[in-house]
Amino acid sequence: DAGVIQSPRHEVTEMGQEVTLRCKPISGHDYLFWYRQTMMRGLELLIYFNNNVPIDDSGMPEDRFSAKMPNASFSTLKIQPSEPRDSAVYFCASRGDSEAFFGQGTRLTVV
Amino acid sequence: GENVEQHPSTLSVQEGDSAVIKCTYSDSASNYFPWYKQELGKGPQLIIDIRSNVGEKKDQRIAVTLNKTAKHFSLHITETQPEDSAVYFCAARGSARQLTFGSGTQLTVLP
Repeated sequence: DAGVIQSPRHEVTEMGQEVTLRCKPISGHDYLFWYRQTMMRGLELLIYFNNNVPIDDSGMPEDRFSAKMPNASFSTLKIQPSEPRDSAVYFCASRGDSEAFFGQGTRLTVV
Repeated sequence: GENVEQHPSTLSVQEGDSAVIKCTYSDSASNYFPWYKQELGKGPQLIIDIRSNVGEKKDQRIAVTLNKTAKHFSLHITETQPEDSAVYFCAARGSARQLTFGSGTQLTVLP
């Protein structure tokens, strides 16, 4: 397996634009997590899914953030409209029975 | 919810010396404790984990100890090498079923 795959690796966008981050989890994993990493706040859990169903979205900072998982092999995290304070590295992770594996992340810069 | 504290935030050691990173957790129901290594520009990578039914686990130069009574666990790296330089994160998974991460330790191994 190629591991957790995220795209794009880097995204630069202007304030107010919509941003969509994508994730392909490891095949067979039934949990998927979205994290945000910043220097100030470290690794924060935004939302996680179990069997494609959102279980806990209490970490989603605002209504501007939304996440979907239409099937077991794909998830998106959308920010609309984006703001400069959303600049961070966003990680997707997936797990089966125990270990969680992370993707390489998407570095988002909102100018 | 779970709260994980990690110390120190930065650690410098001479090549060949040992490094120890310590974490405490708050949720007594936590039963899974992984450690991740994050290199610059990459996602966190699992290096070792321990479950609550054991007190110690070792994998070559890396070992983890767990004290459930005191609710703390530690990462030990022996015979450190320059390639061990990275940010290390501890995490705990408890009743909420998702990982809560510590704030990270920047380890620098000086040649």
